[in-house]
Amino acid sequence: GENVEQHPSTLSVQEGDSAVIKCTYSDSASNYFPWYKQELGKRPQLIIDIRSNVGEKKDQRIAVTLNKTAKHFSLHITETQPEDSAVYFCAASPPKSYNNNDMRFGAGTRLTVKP
Amino acid sequence: NAGVTQTPKFRILKIGQSMTLQCTQDMNHNYMYWYRQDPGMGLKLIYYSVGAGITDKGEVPNGYNVSRSTTEDFPLRLELAAPSQTSVYFCASSYSGTGPTDTQYFGPGTRLTVL
Repeated sequence: GENVEQHPSTLSVQEGDSAVIKCTYSDSASNYFPWYKQELGKRPQLIIDIRSNVGEKKDQRIAVTLNKTAKHFSLHITETQPEDSAVYFCAASPPKSYNNNDMRFGAGTRLTVKP
Repeated sequence: NAGVTQTPKFRILKIGQSMTLQCTQDMNHNYMYWYRQDPGMGLKLIYYSVGAGITDKGEVPNGYNVSRSTTEDFPLRLELAAPSQTSVYFCASSYSGTGPTDTQYFGPGTRLTVL
């Protein structure tokens, strides 16, 4: 099955700096890569996602890049703010035509933005 | 829409007790999932369902059972609770029709402690 690795496990940045979180996946058939943000004691919430037919996607201060050849994808947050502090999870999912329909998550990155 | 709802929010069980975690979604999603999240860790898939009457194992199914008699409900059953099942349990749902939509929407979680 799919295996997703996420780095770093913790990341501390100054407010206004950029933050980058990287993930690698093992199954070359995976075609959907979401990123979730989880605040303390809350549920994971989707912040951005990318599909395998796209190399980059932006939404205001956040962007995701995908390198299918290398099987890695990254989350970029620019102009970080204290409210960006949370745990971020990447995930990879195979096509729905597969017998195995499960999405695999990375272990998470705890981002702290210092004011 | 209420989205994905879960009950109870918190529960303490004794070793060997049984319980059912309830999950309901009102978005007419065909896919539903159960995850567990151990402290400081990512999400691990327990079971998932691609539609009423169809369920399948995820990454960590041992000690759990599920059923999917309706589109809306996907209960998770713990038969003989063990301390290793102490975790936060999240239910999620997504719609997968002819398009590639895979976004999973999470419930608020159930915090379970087994003593």
